[in-house]
Amino acid sequence: DTEVTQTPKHLVMGMTNKKSLKCEQHMGHRAMYWYKQKAKKPPELMFVYSYEKLSINESVPSRFSPECPNSSLLNLHLHALQPEDSALYLCASSQQDINEKLFFGSGTQLSVL
Amino acid sequence: AQSVTQLGSHVSVSEGALVLLRCNYSSSVPPYLFWYVQYPNQGLQLLLKYTTGATLVKGINGFEAEFKKSETSFHLTKPSAHMSDAAEYFCAGPPTGNQFYFGTGTSLTVIP
Repeated sequence: DTEVTQTPKHLVMGMTNKKSLKCEQHMGHRAMYWYKQKAKKPPELMFVYSYEKLSINESVPSRFSPECPNSSLLNLHLHALQPEDSALYLCASSQQDINEKLFFGSGTQLSVL
Repeated sequence: AQSVTQLGSHVSVSEGALVLLRCNYSSSVPPYLFWYVQYPNQGLQLLLKYTTGATLVKGINGFEAEFKKSETSFHLTKPSAHMSDAAEYFCAGPPTGNQFYFGTGTSLTVIP
């Protein structure tokens, strides 16, 4: 299994809603990432978990809250988002660290109304 | 600061023609360089990866890239474009701190 699975594929939420994005991998990878990608732009790193500990937070607003319940799962909790947060949210994993090949999920297309 | 620069945000080629997507890096010591492809409504997929050693790197789907230190380049090529190659291509690396720097991307259109 060389897949990173993200759910849901699409999400529409209001600015007062609370929702969560989920990501799962069963490759035994110990590093997992959240990226944000706007249309026609490269992915921007948000968070990195290494061995289930948050190792990088790229100055992301607190309305985004990551969680890594175990080595296979990664969540991104969303609360009080703004319309400008609408984007494709990509999860990725790598065996141990960022110098290695990244495996990406297909992403969650988020629209904030 | 960005460590890779992709020249040309849009490239169009005819089916069967050579594909050349350009990437230049700024670091003096690039331990790792990557090319990723993103098909519509998909995540990114690794095409190929350069580490120190052979300068010509072969990847998936017939793509290859040549590392040229004298030109600080890592251009992606494919001898004959297929319609299925239409996608967004990102050069990435080298890692700085704990993250890749992705280039701004090149959108490849293949004309039948």
